[in-house]
Amino acid sequence: SQQGEEDPQALSIQEGENATMNCSYKTSINNLQWYRQNSGRGLVHLILIRSNEREKHSGRLRVTLDTSKKSSSLLITASRAADTASYFCATSGQGGSEKLVFGKGTKLTVNP
Amino acid sequence: DTAVSQTPKYLVTQMGNDKSIKCEQNLGHDTMYWYKQDSKKFLKIMFSYNNKELIINETVPNRFSPKSPDKAHLNLHINSLELGDSAVYFCASSQGPIYFKNIQYFGAGTRLSVL
Repeated sequence: SQQGEEDPQALSIQEGENATMNCSYKTSINNLQWYRQNSGRGLVHLILIRSNEREKHSGRLRVTLDTSKKSSSLLITASRAADTASYFCATSGQGGSEKLVFGKGTKLTVNP
Repeated sequence: DTAVSQTPKYLVTQMGNDKSIKCEQNLGHDTMYWYKQDSKKFLKIMFSYNNKELIINETVPNRFSPKSPDKAHLNLHINSLELGDSAVYFCASSQGPIYFKNIQYFGAGTRLSVL
């Protein structure tokens, strides 16, 4: 299966704390993207990191990519209750296919 | 203005019926997708069209038939609905199909319940 795996499956933290989610995948990729899904809504793109990049920042988000370990992490700093959502990684280029392959997601709960 | 809109938002129907879900995007994108999200939140691609041409066709029962009348629209018709078809179906679009253009914009989803 080309499917990515997020870890942990669920994460509960207090407002103001940092949240780290990990994603592993199986074959070489062109890029890796992170998406957020609020309950009952569609997915929203957060950040894209190319295979030749190691780290990327966007506001309170920091993404790292380690292609040798086939893994990525998403760090949300100074979390807020509004960050409560499911977070998915998606990879492109696995097995030579351009389609996005989504992981199973991490459900993040930020308690006020 | 909603970038990717799909209708209906909810669909409750009996087994054996035929139903359609419509999707429209106003982003000027060339590529559109249908995804199925099951009860465990696993999101799997079903189909993709690029400029009205089918480019991705995953292992989906042939009861599912996508149609793209133009590059701004991608509809999904489902024949002979089964209990296992119950899921949330998402439409999405991207600038293009290749990796450096495939940031995807999702609709709000259609929750299909087959009774």
